[in-house]
Amino acid sequence: DAGVTQSPTHLIKTRGQQVTLRCSPKSGHDTVSWYQQALGQGPQFIFQYYEEEERQRGNFPDRFSGHQFPNYSSELNVNALLLGDSALYLCASSPTGFDGYTFGSGTRLTVV
Amino acid sequence: GDSVTQMEGPVTLSEEAFLTINCTYTATGYPSLFWYVQYPGEGLQLLLKATKADDKGSNKGFEATYRKETTSFHLEKGSVQVSDSAVYFCALTSVTSGGSYIPTFGRGTSLIVHP
Repeated sequence: DAGVTQSPTHLIKTRGQQVTLRCSPKSGHDTVSWYQQALGQGPQFIFQYYEEEERQRGNFPDRFSGHQFPNYSSELNVNALLLGDSALYLCASSPTGFDGYTFGSGTRLTVV
Repeated sequence: GDSVTQMEGPVTLSEEAFLTINCTYTATGYPSLFWYVQYPGEGLQLLLKATKADDKGSNKGFEATYRKETTSFHLEKGSVQVSDSAVYFCALTSVTSGGSYIPTFGRGTSLIVHP
């Protein structure tokens, strides 16, 4: 079982650009959540997708958007990048959420 | 809203020492509680969980008991190893108004174990 797969692993972007991060959930998992983890901090919830709909959203601006495909894979898009968007972006999947989440290794985004 | 408070790190121990990492929470309702571990350069891994009061979660020698009266979920291990060096996150999950379970994480506690 490949677990949760994220791509790319590292990315460097310039302020003002747009970025797309990708996630393939663990087999059998239909719920995908995205988190932002700043250095030395805990993960902060961005949003959750289920059945191709955004089901819940955290306290992040509209510059952060996402999508879930019929095969349950997901994308996170960030527009008009700011220096403060530099972080590790984690994707997590679960069959229900009640029993915990399986996390990917993340995408390290650096905005310069 | 829901929140999790963990003891600040780093926690530095010698191999075979006893480990305690404190975690307290604030939540409405009856959350489930979790400990996740993050090794350098990796994502979070679920370490253990407890879904109701007085439940004890355990895995790989680690354990934690859901204490509703003190709103705590402290992580313990009797004898740590160098390979346990990592960042440990306490988390709670409550059901939202939309019917989903969204974990809220603490800031993490770094554990460093010396040979």
